[in-house]
Amino acid sequence: GAVVSQHPSRVICKSGTSVKIECRSLDFQATTMFWYRQFPKQSLMLMATSNEGSKATYEQGVEKDKFLINHASLTLSTLTVTSAHPEDSSFYICSARTGLEGYTFGSGTRLTVV
Amino acid sequence: QKEVEQNSGPLSVPEGAIASLNCTYSDRGSQSFFWYRQYSGKSPELIMSIYSNGDKEDGRFTAQLNKASQYVSLLIRDSQPSDSATYLCAVNRGSGGSQGNLIFGKGTKLSVKP
Repeated sequence: GAVVSQHPSRVICKSGTSVKIECRSLDFQATTMFWYRQFPKQSLMLMATSNEGSKATYEQGVEKDKFLINHASLTLSTLTVTSAHPEDSSFYICSARTGLEGYTFGSGTRLTVV
Repeated sequence: QKEVEQNSGPLSVPEGAIASLNCTYSDRGSQSFFWYRQYSGKSPELIMSIYSNGDKEDGRFTAQLNKASQYVSLLIRDSQPSDSATYLCAVNRGSGGSQGNLIFGKGTKLSVKP
């Protein structure tokens, strides 16, 4: 089946630094990638939708200058958290569409900002 | 009104019993409905998808959809301790915003007692 590889699985960074999270589709071409964030005991909240070769569409309330999304190829999408702060600590998950109604998720990245 | 609502639980059932999980959604344009299972600290994994009114069975799992009532449920028969997890209801966004992405409920925590 379709697999999305997400790295890193865990990252601890200092406040003010930037962190890049990568999601790669291993055996299919992901034209659309969704990025979610999940705080403890909360549900997955959609942050943005990216389409290969075009600018990402951000959900209301998500700062596009803080959460930079690049989807330059059909197999790679990246999320960069810039100038990270402790309140950005969360579980970040990518998801790719694998067909008309199919979605496959990456394994998630636990970000801790200290 | 929240887009996808679930009872957060916890729902506790004895081993071998039937667990019943419920979900309501607000977007009448939604066409696709999903149940995901999420273990703590892990990414969601797909349990069932359903697109038409009625029941859909897959092994010990049965999904039920009633579009008129905007209601979708998941029944787990012969519940096992390994079924203990948080179950997320997800609905595709039928119109407006980023079409095709999934909107998640907060999840119901299920605990199956041996």
